[in-house]
Amino acid sequence: KAGVTQTPRYLIKTRGQQVTLSCSPISGHRSVSWYQQTPGQGLQFLFEYFSETQRNKGNFPGRFSGRQFSNSRSEMNVSTLELGDSALYLCASSLRQGTNTGELFFGEGSRLTVL
Amino acid sequence: DAKTTQPNSMESNEEEPVHLPCNHSTISGTDYIHWYRQLPSQGPEYVIHGLTSNVNNRMASLAIAEDRKSSTLILHRATLRDAAVYYCILQHNYGQNFVFGPGTRLSVLP
Repeated sequence: KAGVTQTPRYLIKTRGQQVTLSCSPISGHRSVSWYQQTPGQGLQFLFEYFSETQRNKGNFPGRFSGRQFSNSRSEMNVSTLELGDSALYLCASSLRQGTNTGELFFGEGSRLTVL
Repeated sequence: DAKTTQPNSMESNEEEPVHLPCNHSTISGTDYIHWYRQLPSQGPEYVIHGLTSNVNNRMASLAIAEDRKSSTLILHRATLRDAAVYYCILQHNYGQNFVFGPGTRLSVLP
């Protein structure tokens, strides 16, 4: 069974640009969550999508957005990049059905460097 | 959100048991206790989770205090591959918006 796939794995952007990251969840998983990991702040929740609807949102500015497609694949976008957006962006998928308390399966992440 | 506190770091010798503690004194009745670990250069990996009763799986055991205000992740025989940052997380209302703290960095000595 293929795991969570994130692309691209590494990318470099300059301030003011925008970036789009992609996440393909495990087959059959309908929930996709995004996290940002930095040395200073650790792992922070960005948002969760389930069946193309945003279910939860973390405390990030509106420059951070996401969406989910009908095949459960998800993208997140960061506009007007700032130096502080340099981070590892992790995607996680889960079954997330009703009161499921099952595990999150994380991808290896997309490492974004903003110059 | 209910918070957890863990020691910043712990050390263990290879093939010895490891007990990783977690305090969650403000846990609510329906909060699940999850443990994840993150190996270097990888995304977090699920270890175990539970609600009230102790839990065992192939990776570890989870011992939950009777009052649920603390829990302990037990690795029965540490290997070098178990060196990682271990996160104790409370899942509230079945949400996927986990709040990760700094975790415990476990070093395993050969």
